Amino acid sequence: AQTVTQSQPEMSVQEAETVTLSCTYDTSESDYYLFWYKQPPSRQMILVIRQEAYKQQNATENRFSVNFQKAAKSFSLKISDSQLGDAAMYFCAYISIQGAQKLVFGQGTRLTINP
Amino acid sequence: EPEVTQTPSHQVTQMGQEVILRCVPISNHLYFYWYRQILGQKVEFLVSFYNNEISEKSEIFDDQFSVERPDGSNFTLKIRSTKLEDSAMYFCASSENLAVTYEQYFGPGTRLTVT
Repeated sequence: AQTVTQSQPEMSVQEAETVTLSCTYDTSESDYYLFWYKQPPSRQMILVIRQEAYKQQNATENRFSVNFQKAAKSFSLKISDSQLGDAAMYFCAYISIQGAQKLVFGQGTRLTINP
Repeated sequence: EPEVTQTPSHQVTQMGQEVILRCVPISNHLYFYWYRQILGQKVEFLVSFYNNEISEKSEIFDDQFSVERPDGSNFTLKIRSTKLEDSAMYFCASSENLAVTYEQYFGPGTRLTVT
């Protein structure tokens, strides 16, 4: 079974600085998708960024980018120019493209932005 | 922008009672899911639903749980006889077409409190 691990329960960063959230996963499959979801205090999860495993190029969405290392099974999220609105729980998630359609989530990292 | 909606936002019930949590997925989506998040824990997959039948369910999704799409818009999760340990945040999600993006869009959640 696939597992996702986020080893940083909490992180903090100064406003306008850059922060990197770590995620590792375990799978025997070669084709899958990885996601970062943001869960603000309002608790609705919002998709931040998506990475297809077959793509070598790292995904980027404005201030958010990932460092996808397939061989190392690592998928970190970098937030540049942190803003107060970035404060939230961040979840890394995995989905297989074969069979199972479920998202497998990590434990989450709570990100605090210091003004 | 289309959103997944859920009602109620908070449900309090007594142990042993039946509850129905309601979701309206995004209108052109074909795949529907329920996840739950016990306070302080990771988000866990419960069940996926496609073409009017369950496509996958987790070990958590036992005989006390059922899902239904009673009409063209609603997607419900029923817990027949609630237990204290069912207290959690329940999230509905929907996906347009897994073969395209594998993205799942989440609703705001229903907080279920069993007393």
